[in-house]
Amino acid sequence: DGGITQSPKYLFRKEGQNVTLSCEQNLNHDAMYWYRQDPGQGLRLIYYSQIVNDFQKGDIAEGYSVSREKKESFPLTVTSAQKNPTAFYLCASSTENEQFFGPGTRLTVL
Amino acid sequence: AQSVTQLGSHVSVSEGALVLLRCNYSSSVPPYLFWYVQYPNQGLQLLLKYTSAATLVKGINGFEAEFKKSETSFHLTKPSAHMSDAAEYFCAVSEAGNMLTFGGGTRLMVKP
Repeated sequence: DGGITQSPKYLFRKEGQNVTLSCEQNLNHDAMYWYRQDPGQGLRLIYYSQIVNDFQKGDIAEGYSVSREKKESFPLTVTSAQKNPTAFYLCASSTENEQFFGPGTRLTVL
Repeated sequence: AQSVTQLGSHVSVSEGALVLLRCNYSSSVPPYLFWYVQYPNQGLQLLLKYTSAATLVKGINGFEAEFKKSETSFHLTKPSAHMSDAAEYFCAVSEAGNMLTFGGGTRLMVKP
């Protein structure tokens, strides 16, 4: 099956810890994205990558980091500098004019 | 800069009634427009998209949307709501192909 996988589905973190969210796609898409979703705020773009070994900050990049060493993978690290990391995180990849989304990871900071 | 406004964060309809979810956009160039649906704790699924072809766009699950340039609108409709339509719906705009700006979302509730 072609698609986007995110793991884990649920993640709990203690304050002050870094945590990495996984995103993998087998759609052969060049572009990949990370969004954060909070209730009533829609989706906000954290980082995006249009091609391997290159990525750009989105609207709310502070406290997050990414890498894009392989076309299929775009992991997101939530660092201790992110003041309010509890949220639902969505990964996407795209063709020229359509984005496809993974199932999401719900991160809760305890 | 592009932006999207979805009027009504919550919409409630009875089963069998018309569904109308409103979306207005701003864009400096002819836009691409999208509607996505999200069920609880899941990712987004594309319902339909407008890419400068026909102004009336038909999507999955009986939904359709009409692009009205003069009103800068792209409202989503379905003639008869079903219980399974209860979900959150997002309108999105793109000026540059694959970069999306999302509205705040509308939660649709369907009453039996």
